[in-house]
Amino acid sequence: GAVVSQHPSRVICKSGTSVKIECRSLDFQATTMFWYRQFPKQSLMLMATSNEGSKATYEQGVEKDKFLINHASLTLSTLTVASAHPEDSSFYICSAREREYEQFFGPGTRLTVL
Amino acid sequence: AQSVAQPEDQVNVAEGNPLTVKCTYSVSGNPYLFWYVQYPNRGLQFLLKYITGDNLVKGSYGFEAEFNKSQTSFHLKKPSALVSDSALYFCAARDTGGFKTIFGAGTRLFVKA
Repeated sequence: GAVVSQHPSRVICKSGTSVKIECRSLDFQATTMFWYRQFPKQSLMLMATSNEGSKATYEQGVEKDKFLINHASLTLSTLTVASAHPEDSSFYICSAREREYEQFFGPGTRLTVL
Repeated sequence: AQSVAQPEDQVNVAEGNPLTVKCTYSVSGNPYLFWYVQYPNRGLQFLLKYITGDNLVKGSYGFEAEFNKSQTSFHLKKPSALVSDSALYFCAARDTGGFKTIFGAGTRLFVKA
């Protein structure tokens, strides 16, 4: 299947700093990318959906000024956690859709905010 | 509201025995159905999908799932479990006109040697 990469895989930062996570579709063009957050032993919570060249659509309760999403090209989307705080510590997973129903997931990024 | 239910938080099975991980869905219209597996600190890996056609779908690593429209179920099965199958399994669904994929809460599978 298609490959989606995420970078970094793990990040530890101090409270108040901003963290950028990159998501790339390596061998296909992704018209739509999704960002999920996963808490320990829980399912994936969709944060936002982004289409290349347009603004992201955020789920209810997700602060768009806190979680900045940029989908600059058909192979790259970035999630920036602005002024991160300990409660933002989580596992963030991106996903890219190639065709109508195929959706592929990145390996995830573990964010720890001290 | 559309939803996916995985009624079991955890399934325990002995190596070599058959396994079933249950999933039911509530999606309008004809659903697209998926199973994913997640290993610790990793993203989700695609196992199989049902779009249309045969109700029995075969996927990766010897897994299969049966689409049952009358029972709105899509249970994941494997004839002979391996210890390496121990992981977290997610069922997911999307209606044909929809955009978002809805995930179940996940079922943790433990396979004992």
